[in-house]
Amino acid sequence: NAGVMQNPRHLVRRRGQEARLRCSPMKGHSHVYWYRQLPEEGLKFMVYLQKENIIDESGMPKERFSAEFPKEGPSILRIQQVVRGDSAAYFCASSRDRAEGYTFGSGTRLTVV
Amino acid sequence: QKEVEQDPGPLSVPEGAIVSLNCTYSNSAFQYFMWYRQYSRKGPELLMYTYSSGNKEDGRFTAQVDKSSKYISLFIRDSQPSDSATYLCAMSAYEAFKTIFGAGTRLFVKA
Repeated sequence: NAGVMQNPRHLVRRRGQEARLRCSPMKGHSHVYWYRQLPEEGLKFMVYLQKENIIDESGMPKERFSAEFPKEGPSILRIQQVVRGDSAAYFCASSRDRAEGYTFGSGTRLTVV
Repeated sequence: QKEVEQDPGPLSVPEGAIVSLNCTYSNSAFQYFMWYRQYSRKGPELLMYTYSSGNKEDGRFTAQVDKSSKYISLFIRDSQPSDSATYLCAMSAYEAFKTIFGAGTRLFVKA
């Protein structure tokens, strides 16, 4: 019973390139959340999705960032035209129900050079 | 003022000590309270999940919630070096879609 799978674990992008982060939730989990973590800071909510629907994207920057959770396949967090300030650890989490704790993946560490 | 305040530490204790970790919050709508443990370079792991006020015990871990004071605590008894990690408090309101995390407290348990 695999947990939440995120890939890649590490991603290096040059300024201006696109970063694509993938997340496969735990089996049976239909709620997916993306969080960003900067050094010495807590987890900052970005977006909450269910299959084919964005439920809450209030934490996601309006420009350059987008997320999807298609009917088939993993959830994708896309960052276009990356800048140095996008360097962070991006964590995906899933849950079976909205009112329960999350299971987190191991994260994708994005470095923009 | 942040919605959730947590002392970043670091907190250093000898093996076998009782550890007390705390968070305060400002949003009275929070009803669900969680503690996560995060080892370096890993994702957070859910330790405790409680609803509303009261205590919950699981092995060496006890979570307390005092909604009247907007204050939650995690106690670790007989602490072990393997407990050395960052502990994140987290909370949410049912009508909200997101969980808000504290900044985390770094704990070091010395053998």
